[in-house]
Amino acid sequence: DAGVIQSPRHEVTEMGQEVTLRCKPISGHDYLFWYRQTMMRGLELLIYFNNNVPIDDSGMPEDRFSAKMPNASFSTLKIQPSEPRDSAVYFCASSPNWGEKAFFGQGTRLTVV
Amino acid sequence: DAKTTQPPSMDCAEGRAANLPCNHSTISGNEYVYWYRQIHSQGPQYIIHGLKNNETNEMASLIITEDRKSSTLILPHATLRDTAVYYCIVRVRNTGNQFYFGTGTSLTVIP
Repeated sequence: DAGVIQSPRHEVTEMGQEVTLRCKPISGHDYLFWYRQTMMRGLELLIYFNNNVPIDDSGMPEDRFSAKMPNASFSTLKIQPSEPRDSAVYFCASSPNWGEKAFFGQGTRLTVV
Repeated sequence: DAKTTQPPSMDCAEGRAANLPCNHSTISGNEYVYWYRQIHSQGPQYIIHGLKNNETNEMASLIITEDRKSSTLILPHATLRDTAVYYCIVRVRNTGNQFYFGTGTSLTVIP
């Protein structure tokens, strides 16, 4: 298996623009997580899905952030409108069971200028 | 979830054992100890987890004290590729609680 695949690897956008990050989890994994990592706040869980259903989105910073999982093999994290403080590395992870051996993607480095 | 305390940084000579401590004095009976690591610019990688018994796998060993208030991750023969940030996490397995990664320990393996 190719592991968790995220795209793009790097994204540079101007403030106010819409940004969409993509994730393909490992086949057969029932859980999908979106994390954000910054120097100041470390790794933060934004939202997670179980069987394509959002379970806990309490980590989503504000309404500008939204996440979807239309099927078991694809998820998106959208920021609209983007702001410079959204600059971070965004990780997607999946696991077959809750919390055990979560596999992380390589991340998307987002820079909002 | 119980909070964890880890030293911010450690050094280890290549080929020697790296012993990374973690304090989790408020851990409850049904909370597991997990260890992940993050190599620069990569996503976190699962290493090992345990409840109360010592655990060993191909990557590392996990030693949990009898009172479960602390644990040690042991990399038996550290290599330069083990240079990473190591996170100790305690959480209840198979519940809706989040993984709180904390700040971790930055391990540098020295040639």
